[in-house]
Formats: sequence, C-alpha cells, structure tokens
Amino acid sequence: GQNIDQPTEMTATEGAIVQINCTYQTSGFNGLFWYQQHAGEAPTFLSYNVLDGLEEKGRFSSFLSRSKGYSYLLLKELQMKDSASYLCAVADSNYQLIWGAGTKLIIKP
Amino acid sequence: NAGVTQTPKFRILKIGQSMTLQCAQDMNHNYMYWYRQDPGMGLKLIYYSVGAGITDKGEVPNGYNVSRSTTEDFPLRLELAAPSQTSVYFCASNPERASSYEQYFGPGTRLTVT
Repeated sequence: GQNIDQPTEMTATEGAIVQINCTYQTSGFNGLFWYQQHAGEAPTFLSYNVLDGLEEKGRFSSFLSRSKGYSYLLLKELQMKDSASYLCAVADSNYQLIWGAGTKLIIKP
Repeated sequence: NAGVTQTPKFRILKIGQSMTLQCAQDMNHNYMYWYRQDPGMGLKLIYYSVGAGITDKGEVPNGYNVSRSTTEDFPLRLELAAPSQTSVYFCASNPERASSYEQYFGPGTRLTVT
C-alpha cells in the first residue's frame, strides 16, 4: 500500500528553528510537495522537490532523499503566524497526490 | 482572478438528502480535483478530471458523482447523504498533471450529515 508518515504535532518557540520530517512509501515517485494549512483554511503550496537535495525559499527549506524515502521541511526564524498544519504529499506513478495526515505546529512565544 | 471558488461554505444535510457542491476556476486549468479531509487524516481524492468531458475515480468515489461540461466548472454530487460523508470538501486545480505543478485549492465546503 501507499503510505506517508509525519509526526502528528510539534511545538517550537518563536524565533527558533524546527524540522518537520516526512517518510513515504508509494508506488512510483514523481515529486514531493509541502503545503501549509492554517486552521479552517485551504492548503497553500510551500515547496516541491523531485531531485535529491535541498531547496531553499526564504525562511523555508525542503530536503529530499529518494533512496531513503525521506523529506523534511525546515522552518527558520519562527513567527507566530507559522502556527499551522504542514502537509507532505507525494505524486505517485499515476501523478496522483498521496497525502500525509499533516503535522500541527504550535509556536510558543 | 478569483482563483478557485466553492459554494456553499457550510451545509447541514439530513440522512438521505442530496446536494451538489459547486466548484469553479478562472485560471483555464485543465486538471481539477475533489478531495475530502476528515479530522486527523490526510486529504483523500474523490474524483478528478483532466479536461472538459473527462472524469475519473480517485481513492474514495463511492457515494459521489461528478461532471465536467466546461473547463471552468467541476460540480460534485452527493446522492443519499450518509453520516460518513460528514467532512470538509476541497476542490483544487492545476494546469497540468500533478508532477511539478502546485495545486490551487478553493476555500472548502464544510458538510455535516445528521
């Protein structure tokens, strides 16, 4: 079967750095996405990785290791507005997105 | 551009009733999707469409139907609503298949079946 695993909840302090991990087992791989979802809102796109390595975009970076079936999202200089759920999704061999359950990130002052 | 719009935002249905969730996009995207999101669960694909006149089942299609008569609109029909269909429904679109293109999401419809 296809499976995406991520921690259910994480807590971090404002101004700090947090790393959210995602491991996956899918039938085929055509890219990995990270989305941010604030409570009661729709998911919004953060990053896309299809090759191994680190993609940096401002305070957010995303890393991929295809051989390990592993990715992480790194958030630096945390702000209160970063309190949200972070969803990992993998495009499988049919280019359909398989979604993880999301990691709820709580930022404390 | 309005992006992806969904109506209604909230709805309460009685068991056995039917309704249509509306979804429209003004970005001329070929691909459109319907997902449901249950608490603590990942998004599950219900149906998708690769263009006008073409639809296909996703992971959880039972109890739902779709049509795609135009590029812009992709309504989702619930027949004989059941409590198991209580969920948040998101419509999404992107210009090509979900390889390198992000999906754009509508604001969601929160449906309760009692």
